Amino acid sequence: KAGVTQTPRYLIKTRGQQVTLSCSPISGHRSVSWYQQTPGQGLQFLFEYFSETQRNKGNFPGRFSGRQFSNSRSEMNVSTLELGDSALYLCASRSVVHSPLHFGNGTRLTVT
Amino acid sequence: GESVGLHLPTLSVQEGDNSIINCAYSNSASDYFIWYKQESGKGPQFIIDIRSNMDKRQGQRVTVLLNKTVKHLSLQIAATQPGDSAVYFCAETYSGGTSYGKLTFGQGTILTVHP
Repeated sequence: KAGVTQTPRYLIKTRGQQVTLSCSPISGHRSVSWYQQTPGQGLQFLFEYFSETQRNKGNFPGRFSGRQFSNSRSEMNVSTLELGDSALYLCASRSVVHSPLHFGNGTRLTVT
Repeated sequence: GESVGLHLPTLSVQEGDNSIINCAYSNSASDYFIWYKQESGKGPQFIIDIRSNMDKRQGQRVTVLLNKTVKHLSLQIAATQPGDSAVYFCAETYSGGTSYGKLTFGQGTILTVHP
């Protein structure tokens, strides 16, 4: 079974631009979560989607948004990019509650 | 609690030794705990999990111990191999209320295994 797939692997953007990251979960997994990983803050929860509905949201500004499609694929969008948004963005999926999240290899975003 | 990524704890062992990685979690209401391994350039990889109604769970070469009294989690790796070198994260979550689906990660521990 294929794992969680994230595209693109690397992105370089300029301050003020916006970016969209894509995630395909493991087949059969309906829950998709997004995390931001930085050296200073570690792994931080962004949001989780289940059946196209956002179920939980972390403490990030409204510039960070996401959505999930009927095939469980998910996208996250960051608008008006800031230098501090440079990070590894990780997508993860799981099958049911109290089952482990399985992560993709992330998208490395650099904002210049 | 929030994880802090600067100055990660490190553990250096010889190949064949047993490794113990510790984690203090923050929320006494957390009822599900997971250990992840992250290698350079990759996302976190699931190792083992444990629910709060257990205090020990074993996998292949790994054992997780949970002490709810002191909010402490540990990962034991038997016969550590060079391929085990990575950053190890513990994560906690509570399945009720608004925390549903949200994992809180520890800061991570860098494990280095010397041949």
